[in-house]
Amino acid sequence: QKEVEQNSGPLSVPEGAIASLNCTYSDRGSQSFFWYRQYSGKSPELIMFIYSNGDKEDGRFTAQLNKASQYVSLLIRDSQPSDSATYLCAVNSQAGTALIFGKGTTLSVSS
Amino acid sequence: DAGVTQSPTHLIKTRGQHVTLRCSPISGHKSVSWYQQVLGQGPQFIFQYYEKEERGRGNFPDRFSARQFPNYSSELNVNALLLGDSALYLCASSLPRGGKETQYFGPGTRLLVL
Repeated sequence: QKEVEQNSGPLSVPEGAIASLNCTYSDRGSQSFFWYRQYSGKSPELIMFIYSNGDKEDGRFTAQLNKASQYVSLLIRDSQPSDSATYLCAVNSQAGTALIFGKGTTLSVSS
Repeated sequence: DAGVTQSPTHLIKTRGQHVTLRCSPISGHKSVSWYQQVLGQGPQFIFQYYEKEERGRGNFPDRFSARQFPNYSSELNVNALLLGDSALYLCASSLPRGGKETQYFGPGTRLLVL
């Protein structure tokens, strides 16, 4: 059973702080890794994707991938109250068709 | 450019009924995937279609079926609805890229089965 694990949270950080969200996955053959943000009652919105080991930065967001440890993380710098949402980690299946999602981590940024 | 569109946005059905959900992908995207998301969980993969052919199927009963049309839009059908089918049904479109495709989600259809 291919799995993606995330801490459900809630993760609470003050405004302006760095939020760190973590994810582990079981399928060593996975090639693509994604972070989606989901506001309450809305659909998931893609914020980052990463394919290679190392860091990938986009604005205030940095995705980190370590395939040897089967670990993906998302850092959000200068966190804002508008970042308060559930963050879903997703990994493609080895066949490349399906995304396998974790249960999501709820982030709360207080002003 | 328009994103992924889904209809209807909300739906209420009773047990045993049938439902059809519709999805139009982003222009130029030829692949459509369907996911079910129950409250408090991440989305679960149901189907993926590419060029009208089924590319993948998740662990869902045969009551769930789907198809893709020549214009790449798609329908998800669920027969003999159960209370447990109440969920947010998400459609995602993508351009297949050999395992590195990025899926973009529509707004979803919220189904309530009474």
